[in-house]
Amino acid sequence: DAGVIQSPRHEVTEMGQEVTLRCKLISGHNSLFWYRQTMMRGLELLIYFNNNVPIDDSGMPEDRFSAKMPNASFSTLKIQPSEPRDSAVYFCASTSWEGTEAFFGQGTRLTVV
Amino acid sequence: SQQGEEDPQALSIQEGENATMNCSYKTSINNLQWYRQNSGRGLVHLILIRSNEREKHSGRLRVTLDTSKKSSSLLITASRAADTASYFCATDAGRRALTFGSGTRLQVQP
Repeated sequence: DAGVIQSPRHEVTEMGQEVTLRCKLISGHNSLFWYRQTMMRGLELLIYFNNNVPIDDSGMPEDRFSAKMPNASFSTLKIQPSEPRDSAVYFCASTSWEGTEAFFGQGTRLTVV
Repeated sequence: SQQGEEDPQALSIQEGENATMNCSYKTSINNLQWYRQNSGRGLVHLILIRSNEREKHSGRLRVTLDTSKKSSSLLITASRAADTASYFCATDAGRRALTFGSGTRLQVQP
């Protein structure tokens, strides 16, 4: 298995543009987590899904952020419109139904200018 | 908000020395996990200790957990230059999503 795959690895966009980050889970995993990492705030949980259903989105900063899980193996995180303060590394991670050990993707480094 | 706080924030040691990192957390937990993050990479799971365990070993790693003090420590013995990374504790408080601490940056000098 290739592990959790995120794309793109790097994204530079202008303020106001829409940004879509993508994540492919490990086959057989049923929980999906989106985290954001910054120097100031560390690793923050944005949202997580269990069996494709959003369970807790209390970490989503504001309505500009949305996440979907259209099927059991794929998720997107969309920011519209993007702002410079959204610049961060965004990670997705997945776990199997039987454990909480999280498998992380390599992250997407987002820069909004 | 951060559930766990690591201490120290940064640690620099010589190869061959032991490295100890501490983590404190706030709420009751099911388990506590330690992760490593190399620069520019994702986090990698190292070890998990359950709330009813006090100590666990895995290779050169030794983890302790004191639930009465809500604290954990990670000991890396005989450190190597390749151990240079940031180390994070993460707590599972029963809702499946992990809450991560602020991390310890470890630098192992060859």
